[in-house]
Amino acid sequence: NAGVTQTPKFRILKIGQSMTLQCAQDMNHNYMYWYRQDPGMGLKLIYYSVGAGITDKGEVPNGYNVSRSTTEDFPLRLELAAPSQTSVYFCASSAGSRNYGYTFGSGTRLTVV
Amino acid sequence: KQEVTQIPAALSVPEGENLVLNCSFTDSAIYNLQWFRQDPGKGLTSLLLIQSSQREQTSGRLNASLDKSSGRSTLYIAASQPGDSATYLCAVRYGGATNKLIFGTGTLLAVQP
Repeated sequence: NAGVTQTPKFRILKIGQSMTLQCAQDMNHNYMYWYRQDPGMGLKLIYYSVGAGITDKGEVPNGYNVSRSTTEDFPLRLELAAPSQTSVYFCASSAGSRNYGYTFGSGTRLTVV
Repeated sequence: KQEVTQIPAALSVPEGENLVLNCSFTDSAIYNLQWFRQDPGKGLTSLLLIQSSQREQTSGRLNASLDKSSGRSTLYIAASQPGDSATYLCAVRYGGATNKLIFGTGTLLAVQP
């Protein structure tokens, strides 16, 4: 009964480096989301996917990329990391229907130095 | 613009008190509203999900109400305990292509023993 699993939990990157944040869910949810949480700013949507092979931008997509080759996995790619990308990243999934809520992963705390 | 506001931003109460957290949203065309709890450095745990057609939901000492027409929800916590100390987030789900969740900035609750 894993739910939404995110790896790694913590990471320090140097400016200009790249990395992929992993997200996997085992609930067969069609909808998946990436959010970032900055102190005092709430959660902002980065990218979302409504099913395998379909992705789209959210509110703050610049500097990120995603892919959705399977229903289960939704990795977030950071290219050329910048200090402004220092944040906590959360992956979430939902069954998609209006009657369902969201399930969140435990987050990845990323620091860019 | 779809916005979610939570008041107060922070709250400190003695153990045993009953308390109310407030959430307001600007666009009343919601699918549902979800209350989350977030402990320091941790992910989001879903507490209650209220559908747009419902007026309230209860789970143990927690009761959430929804008044869609006025754009308001409240989370009532009965007989508060130190273990209730956390940040409480309200999130509103809207329709459209993303079925996106709009978050408030949260209420930081401290229950003093």
